[in-house]
Amino acid sequence: GAVVSQHPSRVICKSGTSVKIECRSLDFQATTMFWYRQFPKQSLMLMATSNEGSKATYEQGVEKDKFLINHASLTLSTLTVTSAHPEDSSFYICSAGTGGIAALNTEAFFGQGTRLTVV
Amino acid sequence: QKEVEQNSGPLSVPEGAIASLNCTYSDRGSQSFFWYRQYSGKSPELIMFIYSNGDKEDGRFTAQLNKASQYVSLLIRDSQPSDSATYLCAVRHQAGTALIFGKGTTLSVSS
Repeated sequence: GAVVSQHPSRVICKSGTSVKIECRSLDFQATTMFWYRQFPKQSLMLMATSNEGSKATYEQGVEKDKFLINHASLTLSTLTVTSAHPEDSSFYICSAGTGGIAALNTEAFFGQGTRLTVV
Repeated sequence: QKEVEQNSGPLSVPEGAIASLNCTYSDRGSQSFFWYRQYSGKSPELIMFIYSNGDKEDGRFTAQLNKASQYVSLLIRDSQPSDSATYLCAVRHQAGTALIFGKGTTLSVSS
């Protein structure tokens, strides 16, 4: 299957600082990328949908000014957690899709995830 | 609100047995259905997806879909200790949209 690379895999930052997470599709063009967050013992919760060249669509309850998403190319989307607080500590996972009708029945490819710890 | 429901478990089966994992979804318009396996601290790995009513088999795994009952299941034959993980059911409403995940079922296979 297609490869989605996410970086970094782990990051520890101080409260109040910002952290950028990158998500790259390595061997296909991802017209759409999705950002999820997973707290311990919980399922993946969709944060936002990112389409190349346009503004991200955020899910209800997700602060767009705190979680900045940029999808500047068909192979790269970034999530920046601004002014991080300890409650932002979580496992962040990106997912990429090729879009279009064919995407209905194709798998969604996931990155390796980023474990963010805010101290 | 679109929801995907799974029994959190844990589901415990002995090695070699069949493990049966179940999932229901609320959005009748959902069109494709996915099963992922997730080990602790890792990203989900796709096991298989299904979009037509009936069964779909891949090795030791069989996915079953019943759209009328809004029910999808995963059977794991000849369960192995390495199958011990959390199994996530996910649903996609339409092309290009995000997957909606259930909370997952923890499976424990004892040797």
